[in-house]
Amino acid sequence: NAGVMQNPRHLVRRRGQEARLRCSPVKGHSHVYWYRQLPEEGLKFMVYLQKENIIDESGMPKERFSAEFPKEGPSILRIQQVVRGDSAAYFCASLITSGITEAFFGQGTRLTVV
Amino acid sequence: KNEVEQSPQNLTAQEGEFITINCSYSVGISALHWLQQHPGGGIVSLFMLSSGKKKHGRLIATINIQEKHSSLHITASHPRDSAVYICAVTDLKAAGNKLTFGGGTRVLVKP
Repeated sequence: NAGVMQNPRHLVRRRGQEARLRCSPVKGHSHVYWYRQLPEEGLKFMVYLQKENIIDESGMPKERFSAEFPKEGPSILRIQQVVRGDSAAYFCASLITSGITEAFFGQGTRLTVV
Repeated sequence: KNEVEQSPQNLTAQEGEFITINCSYSVGISALHWLQQHPGGGIVSLFMLSSGKKKHGRLIATINIQEKHSSLHITASHPRDSAVYICAVTDLKAAGNKLTFGGGTRVLVKP
């Protein structure tokens, strides 16, 4: 699990600001998943990306949220004009393939909107 | 009804006790995962199962595909086992390896 690096670990934003969450997958992994854990709730799928492609974004809110996984560099989850309800822990998981393999999770980014 | 249900939601045990956490799911799956999350911490993958039983140290995970049920057992529990244990499944119909999670079981082991 040490291989998936998320930063920052903690992020505080005022309402209306932008939040950028970064995820560097395990070296060699080309499949990245973002999950959100709202306070006192379970984890929920947001988006699944392969290098340069969004495969499934069915769990992502239609507005203000976007994700990318460029050819070079980390995957970015971007939240524009944050609201208090966006406060949550955001986890990234990476896999080497799309097949059935163990998922490696990052430590998460805890976003607090004040 | 959630696709993945865990029980109990909370569990308190004395050090040394045997602990069982249950997970039931309603969809066809290709794999089931047991995960561990410490307070304020990241998520660690404990097991990935598609059939039968796996053991790692004091942890044992079993799955019954026909009954759509899995259990996670902790033998000789220790205070450091205190964490939230999460069951997650990979839906056969889902793209890639997207996980659907249970609500978690909060385990507290008292010394």
